[in-house]
Amino acid sequence: GAGVSQSPRYKVAKRGQDVALRCDPISGHVSLFWYQQALGQGPEFLTYFQNEAQLDKSGLPSDRFFAERPEGSVSTLKIQRTQQEDSAVYLCASSVREGIGGYTFGSGTRLTVV
Amino acid sequence: DAKTTQPTSMDCAEGRAANLPCNHSTISGNEYVYWYRQIHSQGPQYIIHGLKNNETNEMASLIITEDRKSSTLILPHATLRDTAVYYCIVRSHSGSARQLTFGSGTQLTVLP
Repeated sequence: GAGVSQSPRYKVAKRGQDVALRCDPISGHVSLFWYQQALGQGPEFLTYFQNEAQLDKSGLPSDRFFAERPEGSVSTLKIQRTQQEDSAVYLCASSVREGIGGYTFGSGTRLTVV
Repeated sequence: DAKTTQPTSMDCAEGRAANLPCNHSTISGNEYVYWYRQIHSQGPQYIIHGLKNNETNEMASLIITEDRKSSTLILPHATLRDTAVYYCIVRSHSGSARQLTFGSGTQLTVLP
């Protein structure tokens, strides 16, 4: 596709429920990032993939957060046993080359935990 | 990556130039200045980046001071659709870190 696609656009989860958020990057893009954006704040880094390899997961806030990109294209961010503080917009970004130039972001998934 | 300082908010009249400042006094020699913007309910959008020379593209111009401790993003003819949060980010193209570190940005409001 022409851009980074994320689904679902909105997700409401009951506290304790597991959720899975999907990111379809631009075809051929090597680098893929996940960010978390709380209301009124700038995006915060969660994790980074180069093709299928997860090279940096230092931003994942707890072991309830897990990300994968098994074939080097589509990525899934999974959150287990969701809590209210997980409510945020989750953004995915991709880049054709590692580390250089601008990244293309998706519109994000707004997760609300009730 | 070096830290940046931006004003919290700015207003600009439609059709006039919007000049958004950014201070990055601790920038190192191999770090680039990047600008992104985020329109409400959308993901951040890349605008422009530069190392030490001024840069211009179809969206904006980036002016970096000679000592590289500050920069200005210029939108030459602001429109209502330019209302957004603008983020100034400093990052290196080398090393292991690949992520962008966003601050709080500047909320630009273009007024009719």
